[in-house]
Amino acid sequence: AAGVIQSPRHLIKEKRETATLKCYPIPRHDTVYWYQQGPGQDPQFLISFYEKMQSDKGSIPDRFSAQQFSDYHSELNMSSLELGDSALYFCAGGLAGDDTQYFGPGTRLTVL
Amino acid sequence: KQEVTQIPAALSVPEGENLVLNCSFTDSAIYNLQWFRQDPGKGLTSLLLIQSSQREQTSGRLNASLDKSSGRSTLYIAASQPGDSATYLCAANFGNEKLTFGTGTRLTIIP
Repeated sequence: AAGVIQSPRHLIKEKRETATLKCYPIPRHDTVYWYQQGPGQDPQFLISFYEKMQSDKGSIPDRFSAQQFSDYHSELNMSSLELGDSALYFCAGGLAGDDTQYFGPGTRLTVL
Repeated sequence: KQEVTQIPAALSVPEGENLVLNCSFTDSAIYNLQWFRQDPGKGLTSLLLIQSSQREQTSGRLNASLDKSSGRSTLYIAASQPGDSATYLCAANFGNEKLTFGTGTRLTIIP
């Protein structure tokens, strides 16, 4: 069965650079959630989208932005990267009315 | 503030034993709770989802319970195997769809 796809799987950037992370939910899933997991920490909710509209916002820095496109894939854009942005970034997809969130394998971002 | 706690942070158990992992949450108005497994440096694998109206869910050797009044959930693993070694995270949905995660319990099954 198709799963949630995230790309790239690994990304290395320098401080002050920009990065774009992509998430492709399971076909027909209309909701996307982004989480950030720092080293040794639990995942923290960043932002979510439903039907291409932002549905909720968590502890997402102003340097980050995200959107969901007409094909339901989502992109997380990160600018002015800082060392503290190094983390595993997960996206999860879901279907409105279905409570299960299906997580992707994550993108490991390393900021040098 | 809605928080999720998992104690202990680490647990070692001999192979073959049954074990229980604990998860506590502060808001009894929980919508549902999900248990995940995470291998080092890897993604999250969903194990079980319990709705607020349910008391427990079972999948193979795993059984998860939910007690809203006491703010607790447990994940029971029967006949543990070395392959069960991983970090187990519980995550609560307090009705706003986003998940609030616990800090996880790192489980090691000793052969």
